[in-house]
Amino acid sequence: NAGVTQTPKFQVLKTGQSMTLQCAQDMNHEYMSWYRQDPGMGLRLIHYSVGAGITDQGEVPNGYNVSRSTTEDFPLRLLSAAPSQTSVYFCASSYVGPNEKLFFGSGTQLSVL
Amino acid sequence: RKEVEQDPGPFNVPEGATVAFNCTYSNSASQSFFWYRQDCRKEPKLLMSVYSSGNEDGRFTAQLNRASQYISLLIRDSKLSDSATYLCAVNGGKLIFGQGTELSVKP
Repeated sequence: NAGVTQTPKFQVLKTGQSMTLQCAQDMNHEYMSWYRQDPGMGLRLIHYSVGAGITDQGEVPNGYNVSRSTTEDFPLRLLSAAPSQTSVYFCASSYVGPNEKLFFGSGTQLSVL
Repeated sequence: RKEVEQDPGPFNVPEGATVAFNCTYSNSASQSFFWYRQDCRKEPKLLMSVYSSGNEDGRFTAQLNRASQYISLLIRDSKLSDSATYLCAVNGGKLIFGQGTELSVKP
């Protein structure tokens, strides 16, 4: 049972570089989301999607792009990385519904130098 | 101001103590509420959902007060293994987390 798979687990970028964090789930979940976690800040929602072709902004969307072309995949793009984007990133998914629990990926540690 | 705010930590308690966490939310249209547990920066895992009538799971009790817009988590007879960060989460169409409260249970 793969669940939510995030790649890579670790990444170091230089300022200005671009990259894509990958997230895939095999549970046919409609809802997918990206969070970043910084010390003392908890999890902050970056972008989320309630289904293929639908995305919306969360609490901290600036500097990040997402797309949802399939139910399974929800990549997060950093077009021009900045040191402020150094963080741990979590992807999560669930069925759509108010009481559905989130399933998380294992996280990506990103450092921007 | 964040939509969801938690008590600042860390909480350092002896084994066997009772500890309570509170969490306030600003979106009165929020529909569902949760407590998650996170160990050592691993992925968060659902501890329990919070229902209007309150709910209990062993040593853990969660309560919701819609009028005052807060949820709480009570841990009784705390164990060393309860040491973790506890995050509240509120769903008003998207799931928003609080900052998390670190709990350290000492022998």
